[in-house]
Amino acid sequence: ELKVEQNPLFLSMQEGKNYTIYCNYSTTSDRLYWYRQDPGKSLESLFVLLSNGAVKQEGRLMASLDTKARLSTLHITAAVHDLSATYFCAVDLDFGNEKLTFGTGTRLTIIP
Amino acid sequence: DTGVSQNPRHKITKRGQNVTFRCDPISEHNRLYWYRQTLGQGPEFLTYFQNEAQLEKSRLLSDRFSAERPKGSFSTLEIQRTEQGDSAMYLCASSRRGGLSRGKVFFGSGTQLSVL
Repeated sequence: ELKVEQNPLFLSMQEGKNYTIYCNYSTTSDRLYWYRQDPGKSLESLFVLLSNGAVKQEGRLMASLDTKARLSTLHITAAVHDLSATYFCAVDLDFGNEKLTFGTGTRLTIIP
Repeated sequence: DTGVSQNPRHKITKRGQNVTFRCDPISEHNRLYWYRQTLGQGPEFLTYFQNEAQLEKSRLLSDRFSAERPKGSFSTLEIQRTEQGDSAMYLCASSRRGGLSRGKVFFGSGTQLSVL
């Protein structure tokens, strides 16, 4: 059974600081997704990583994928309050069919 | 392109009643997915369609749940004889196999179900 684990589960950080969220998964997959969810809202797609070594950046967020280590990271640079949200990683359970298994999420709070 | 649309946004029902939710995917998206999310958890896969064919159902989906996608356009998810444990956010998502948006899965705003 595929397991997707994120850590930390909760993260409180000051504005301007850098931090990394980790996503580990238990079986082979070369598709990894990152989503953002604000309270009471749906999921916003951030990144889709489709191969080993893939790195994508958007603003203060950068995601990478190491399929050999079964690890993805979401790096936050110089955090700002607007980044406060819950971040989920998800793995394609059935290669190419985009049937996703989600991690438990990391609730990020940026403190002014 | 107005995104994935779900109705209703909220549904409150009494235990034992039947409820039906609707999802309109992004036009030309041939894949449609249903997920369930409970508070503090990530979404859990329920079922998905490619065009009008339902290709897989999760073991989470009991016999009280049924989903359809007639003509490969909108989809409905029906829950019969609701139970309090069915209370959750039901999310619909869609994607298009191939093309420039390869791999991207877009989610709707969800239907929040409360069973009293």
